[in-house]
Amino acid sequence: AQTVTQSQPEMSVQEAETVTLSCTYDTSESNYYLFWYKQPPSRQMILVIRQEAYKQQNATENRFSVNFQKAAKSFSLKISDSQLGDTAMYFCAFMKPSTYSGGGADGLTFGKGTHLIIQP
Amino acid sequence: GAVVSQHPSWVICKSGTSVKIECRSLDFQATTMFWYRQFPKQSLMLMATSNEGSKATYEQGVEKDKFLINHASLTLSTLTVTSAHPEDSSFYICSSTGTVDDYTFGSGTRLTVV
Repeated sequence: AQTVTQSQPEMSVQEAETVTLSCTYDTSESNYYLFWYKQPPSRQMILVIRQEAYKQQNATENRFSVNFQKAAKSFSLKISDSQLGDTAMYFCAFMKPSTYSGGGADGLTFGKGTHLIIQP
Repeated sequence: GAVVSQHPSWVICKSGTSVKIECRSLDFQATTMFWYRQFPKQSLMLMATSNEGSKATYEQGVEKDKFLINHASLTLSTLTVTSAHPEDSSFYICSSTGTVDDYTFGSGTRLTVV
């Protein structure tokens, strides 16, 4: 079974600063997908970024980027030029490889989350 | 992009009654639907996976007789909490995927059992 660990229950930074959220995971799989999801007070889950384990290049989406270290099983999220609207819970999630074999899908395993607060 | 519509957004019911939560895929065929449960200030825990036209697969520790899942069509999956009790109060979220691009979450249902 997979496990996902987020060791920072809460973080607070000033607007415009850069912040990094940490995530480690444990799996015996060699290929998988990793995700960061944002959950604002509305509780709608919003995909921030995803990384395919077989790709060495770190994923980037505008102000959001990841540092994926496969050997260390680490998947941190960096938010640059943080904005007030970035305030939310952030969840790191793992998906098993069978999902993308074309034969079906598996649910996500989530970490406990990090509550990120952007101060004005 | 893909949209999953979840209803109701919140519901209050009396202990011992049953509550049905619906998730509809609006612009794609949801072959698979996942149901998650989220307690206050906690993470999402996968409860079950339903595939259209077949029985749902429940995660360990989830009572399949209490949480009935029906996925009779490619656009609709339902979760029925039977004989609800206060400990069933939680936030329930559905999610569907065909490919990674279609991994979409519903807006969630806040269930309060009194």
